[in-house]
Amino acid sequence: GAVVSQHPSRVICKSGTSVKIECRSLDFQATTMFWYRQFPKQSLMLMATSNEGSKATYEQGVEKDKFLINHASLTLSTLTVTSAHPEDSSFYICSASLASYEQYFGPGTRLTVT
Amino acid sequence: GDSVTQMEGPVTLSEEAFLTINCTYTATGYPSLFWYVQYPGEGLQLLLKATKADDKGSNKGFEATYRKETTSFHLEKGSVQVSDSAVYFCALSTASSGTYKYIFGTGTRLKVLA
Repeated sequence: GAVVSQHPSRVICKSGTSVKIECRSLDFQATTMFWYRQFPKQSLMLMATSNEGSKATYEQGVEKDKFLINHASLTLSTLTVTSAHPEDSSFYICSASLASYEQYFGPGTRLTVT
Repeated sequence: GDSVTQMEGPVTLSEEAFLTINCTYTATGYPSLFWYVQYPGEGLQLLLKATKADDKGSNKGFEATYRKETTSFHLEKGSVQVSDSAVYFCALSTASSGTYKYIFGTGTRLKVLA
């Protein structure tokens, strides 16, 4: 149980375009979803927390207009990287929670902006 | 604020050696503690967890005990295998404004040689 998927697993896009990453909880309803970013050989950095039907809460230093998060249902959250630039290239990981202390992580999405 | 300090790697061991990866934390309240493992190009997998003082989490030969008096959650394994080569993250879960958030350590890269 508690499986989280992400799609796509890898994406390459051109500079200036937007790309959407989906995060789904497959066998449970997630009251809260989280988006993380991981640079090579570094730890995970929390970008934002989202609750179904409400606006995401962004961590300090994360541009909310660049990283658009939508949590339309209890099983789906999306992260859209708008006007992507090469410095946005990274590994993006989502997680989902049942409003408890534990999070369940997706497999990650590798974004490369050329 | 809350934080997790993890020993720096990389750690290189021979197969069947004993492993210890140190993790200490600073937190207000009573956090839950986790160890996650990340294989190259993949997301995070939960290795073990402990939710209260003196709890011992264990899985696949790995163990960690929640020590409140020393604020530690060191990861140990008696005999490592080549397949254990990965990055290990210590994390705590703490409530913030009604939402549980994770704080990760910096990660420790383990390399096991045959």
